[in-house]
Amino acid sequence: SAVISQKPSRDICQRGTSLTIQCQVDSQVTMMFWYRQQPGQSLTLIATANQGSEATYESGFVIDKFPISRPNLTFSTLTVSNMSPEDSSIYLCSVSPVDRVDGYTFGSGTRLTVV
Amino acid sequence: SQKIEQNSEALNIQEGKTATLTCNYTNYSPAYLQWYRQDPGRGPVFLLLIRENEKEKRKERLKVTFDTTLKQSLFHITASQPADSATYLCASNSNSGYALNFGKGTSLLVTP
Repeated sequence: SAVISQKPSRDICQRGTSLTIQCQVDSQVTMMFWYRQQPGQSLTLIATANQGSEATYESGFVIDKFPISRPNLTFSTLTVSNMSPEDSSIYLCSVSPVDRVDGYTFGSGTRLTVV
Repeated sequence: SQKIEQNSEALNIQEGKTATLTCNYTNYSPAYLQWYRQDPGRGPVFLLLIRENEKEKRKERLKVTFDTTLKQSLFHITASQPADSATYLCASNSNSGYALNFGKGTSLLVTP
């Protein structure tokens, strides 16, 4: 299965600023996803990062707030823009398996605290 | 809307016993269910996948069942060990694409 390097692992940011999270995969993958996990909550899908086209956002998430880049099949970034304390959460990237009988692989997550 | 529900209360069991975690789904029929382990500060790690036409799947001390009548999956850890202490997440395919829907997870604590 793929190996994902996600960084930063954590950050403390001032409100109103932006943070860009990076995910690097050790192999080419078709599907990459960005999730948010708020304390004590489930993983919530933010968007699907598409190579060569705009990301597909889930209801409640917009491109202006969470711009995503996918320049190639091994790399993606998620930016959390104009942050507020409500954005404090863990952000995770994930890739789908080549064979759908396998599970998905996740990055180790970025713990974001907005003060 | 599609929902996956797990018992959000923590499960505390004694070492050596069998832990059983429950996952229920409503308003859709997933083609498969997956179980993940998540440790604090880490991303989820895939454990097992079971398809809708499979009743049971095993891997070492882990066993998963899928009951489409009850709309439920059970996840068992036999001969549990303190190292099994973690949060366990149930997930399924979504109708809208290739991403996964997740339950909230169940925290398991195995005490010596």
